[in-house]
Amino acid sequence: GDSVTQMEGPVTLSEEAFLTINCTYTATGYPSLFWYVQYPGEGLQLLLKATKADDKGSNKGFEATYRKETTSFHLEKGSVQVSDSAVYFCAFVTGGGNKLTFGTGTQLKVEL
Amino acid sequence: GAGVSQSPRYKVAKRGQDVALRCDPISGHVSLFWYQQALGQGPEFLTYFQNEAQLDKSGLPSDRFFAERPEGSVSTLKIQRTQQEDSAVYLCASSRGGEVNQPQHFGDGTRLSIL
Repeated sequence: GDSVTQMEGPVTLSEEAFLTINCTYTATGYPSLFWYVQYPGEGLQLLLKATKADDKGSNKGFEATYRKETTSFHLEKGSVQVSDSAVYFCAFVTGGGNKLTFGTGTQLKVEL
Repeated sequence: GAGVSQSPRYKVAKRGQDVALRCDPISGHVSLFWYQQALGQGPEFLTYFQNEAQLDKSGLPSDRFFAERPEGSVSTLKIQRTQQEDSAVYLCASSRGGEVNQPQHFGDGTRLSIL
């Protein structure tokens, strides 16, 4: 069935380090892909999205590229900040569908 | 406010009690979703409305769960005869609809604890 696999956390990095959070998916059809972020004490917020193969979503210095051949949508940021500490969720909606299928989330901790 | 509003923010109930959780979507949003998020897990889909029509309820875990959106705006998720396994954060999301894959905007959730 449809599913999302994310790397397990917590991921702990020093400020200004490079970030990669891996995400792969199993989906029927051609999904649209999303990264959501949940800051401490806050609700889920859409971080970025990509709707077709080879699209790159970007926001706030984060990027992710829709790789159909590897069914992946890895999240990257060149230089993380303490304020990026949060839980990151990879998710998708299958073509023509509406419900989001989420991964289990990856907690990121950034230290000075 | 401009966002999705959920109430109450926290709810504690004894096993066997009925609970009702409310969601106020963003004004004008056609689509409304409910998700359940267990501790340390990602949200899992429960049900979906387009206006007042419940188009998908495939994620509701049992017939104790019931959702409604009678006027196509506010929605209520009701859980009857609560069990301890119902303890979770219940998230509501809304989207403009009318186009496939519109981004969903989430509320802060209701944290339900069943004693």
